[in-house]
Amino acid sequence: GAGVSQSPRYKVAKRGQDVALRCDPISGHVSLFWYQQALGQGPEFLTYFQNEAQLDKSGLPSDRFFAERPEGSVSTLKIQRTQQEDSAVYLCASIRGSSYNSPLHFGNGTRLTVT
Amino acid sequence: GENVEQHPSTLSVQEGDSAVIKCTYSDSASNYFPWYKQELGKRPQLIIDIRSNVGEKKDQRIAVTLNKTAKHFSLHITETQPEDSAVYFCAAPYSGGYQKVTFGTGTKLQVIP
Repeated sequence: GAGVSQSPRYKVAKRGQDVALRCDPISGHVSLFWYQQALGQGPEFLTYFQNEAQLDKSGLPSDRFFAERPEGSVSTLKIQRTQQEDSAVYLCASIRGSSYNSPLHFGNGTRLTVT
Repeated sequence: GENVEQHPSTLSVQEGDSAVIKCTYSDSASNYFPWYKQELGKRPQLIIDIRSNVGEKKDQRIAVTLNKTAKHFSLHITETQPEDSAVYFCAAPYSGGYQKVTFGTGTKLQVIP
């Protein structure tokens, strides 16, 4: 596709449920990122993949958060035993290469609401 | 890591006036500074970026200036229009880690017709 695609667009989960958020980056883009954006805040870094390798996961807030990109294209962010504080928009972004001196191409995000 | 501070948090201007948003950063090795625009409910989109080998870059009504000595960069929007109303984020990469781009907290710009 022409851009980064994320699904679902909206997700409502009851506290304690597990959720899986999907990101389909721009074809051929090597680098993939997950960001968390709370209401009224800037995106906060969660994790970074270069192809299938997860090179930085220092932003994941707890061990309930897990991300994978097994074939170096589609990525899934999984949140186990969701809590209310997990409510946010989860943004995926990709860039063609691996240089940090490149603009991020964002998806529309998944708005997660934990009730 | 990188600390990025952005001011102001909100900005209201009359249509046709100019708007200026400023960001400061902490990592002196940072050399790439993008600005993103995010309309309500939509994705952040790059509007302009600057690399450290230049002090200013302009694209029509939008310009960015960079002062590496003082470690700050600013977004300038001239002749503002209602469609400029959005939240604007600055960002700076952390040179010590893989791609850990840090975003500012955002500026909500309202252009009053």
